[in-house]
Amino acid sequence: DTEVTQTPKHLVMGMTNKKSLKCEQHMGHRAMYWYKQKAKKPPELMFVYSYEKLSINESVPSRFSPECPNSSLLNLHLHALQPEDSALYLCASSHGQGGTYEQYFGPGTRLTVT
Amino acid sequence: SQQGEEDPQALSIQEGENATMNCSYKTSINNLQWYRQNSGRGLVHLILIRSNEREKHSGRLRVTLDTSKKSSSLLITASRAADTASYFCATVAYYGNNRLAFGKGNQVVVIP
Repeated sequence: DTEVTQTPKHLVMGMTNKKSLKCEQHMGHRAMYWYKQKAKKPPELMFVYSYEKLSINESVPSRFSPECPNSSLLNLHLHALQPEDSALYLCASSHGQGGTYEQYFGPGTRLTVT
Repeated sequence: SQQGEEDPQALSIQEGENATMNCSYKTSINNLQWYRQNSGRGLVHLILIRSNEREKHSGRLRVTLDTSKKSSSLLITASRAADTASYFCATVAYYGNNRLAFGKGNQVVVIP
């Protein structure tokens, strides 16, 4: 199984809502990533987990809260988002942390904040 | 500064033709990777070339790396309609935070 799955595919939420994005992989990868991608732009790294511990936080606002319950799962909890947070949120995983490993991406969650 | 900056041109070609896109970067790298993204979907890893390699092939893909010019190119031979996508290069700096830095991306449209 070389797939990274993400749910939901689409999400519309108001600025006062709390929601979560989920990501799962069963490749035994020990590094997992959250990226944010705006239209016609490259992905921007948000968070990196290595061996279930947060290793990189790219100064992301606290309204985004990541969680790694186990080595296969990665969540992104959302609260009090702004309309400018509307984007495609991509999860990825790799065998180890760092750029020497190829990253496997999920299909993304298209988030719209109203 | 952002590593991996492709020429931001959109490329439109006929099926069967070759497509070439370029990527330039600014600092010393450990490796350079190319990814493909179909419209609104996740990225797919295509190829990784290390800093001590000059050329790499994978199926219809050919990647070159010129570290003296800090540039890379991706060639897709005998293009197909299914190759229509955005292509991103991503670099890993030799010194630093060991993370991927994506370039702006190249939009390629293959006309059947």
